[in-house]
Amino acid sequence: QVRLIQSGAEVKKPGASVRVSCEASGYTFTAYALHWVRQAPGQTLEWMGWINPATGNRGYSNKLQGRVTLTTDTSASRGYMELSSLTSEDTAVYYCAVMTLPTAEALDVWGQGTMVTVSS
Amino acid sequence: DIQMTQSPSSLSASVGDRVTITCRASRIITKYLNWYQQKPGQAPNLLIHSASILQSGVSSRFSGSGSGTDFSLTISSLQPEDFATYYCQQYSNTPYTFGQGTKLAI
Repeated sequence: QVRLIQSGAEVKKPGASVRVSCEASGYTFTAYALHWVRQAPGQTLEWMGWINPATGNRGYSNKLQGRVTLTTDTSASRGYMELSSLTSEDTAVYYCAVMTLPTAEALDVWGQGTMVTVSS
Repeated sequence: DIQMTQSPSSLSASVGDRVTITCRASRIITKYLNWYQQKPGQAPNLLIHSASILQSGVSSRFSGSGSGTDFSLTISSLQPEDFATYYCQQYSNTPYTFGQGTKLAI
């Protein structure tokens, strides 16, 4: 079945960058765009952006544009989210997810989440 | 960005109750709306897509309705495993946006 496995928790200092990986299995990696969503402690979900592994096309939320970079390695069936210039407000669980349904743009398969803590 | 407003933000109920959560979009999104359930320490789980279509494997006690700007999620008879936080999400335009969540507690 479709599975997404993310890298482990990270602790970073303010101003640093973080990279989270997402390894896909159970499907052809280039078949679905990879989305990234984050959730600060006790807060709602925030969509960060998407990348199409087949074409390299991508889009980012305006809020994070300029600080977030999404990439993929199709040979390894992995996606990466890099966030730079970290502040305490970037402390959150970061999820990768895909939309496999042919008739709706719904995030139906999610990774387990990666906790990123930004602290001095 | 399209703002999604859920109500209530929290709700206390009992096993067997029927509950309804509402979600309002700041502009018309036709039926481009999804509902997710999230339990503590877990990733969100898709319940309903396209406003009213039950995701495969999800219990039929969940139902969704609405179009335009006003939507609702109804749980017909609460079970112990339904106590969780529920989010609506629009996909009419990027950035995709989520409601603030409704925490359903015993």
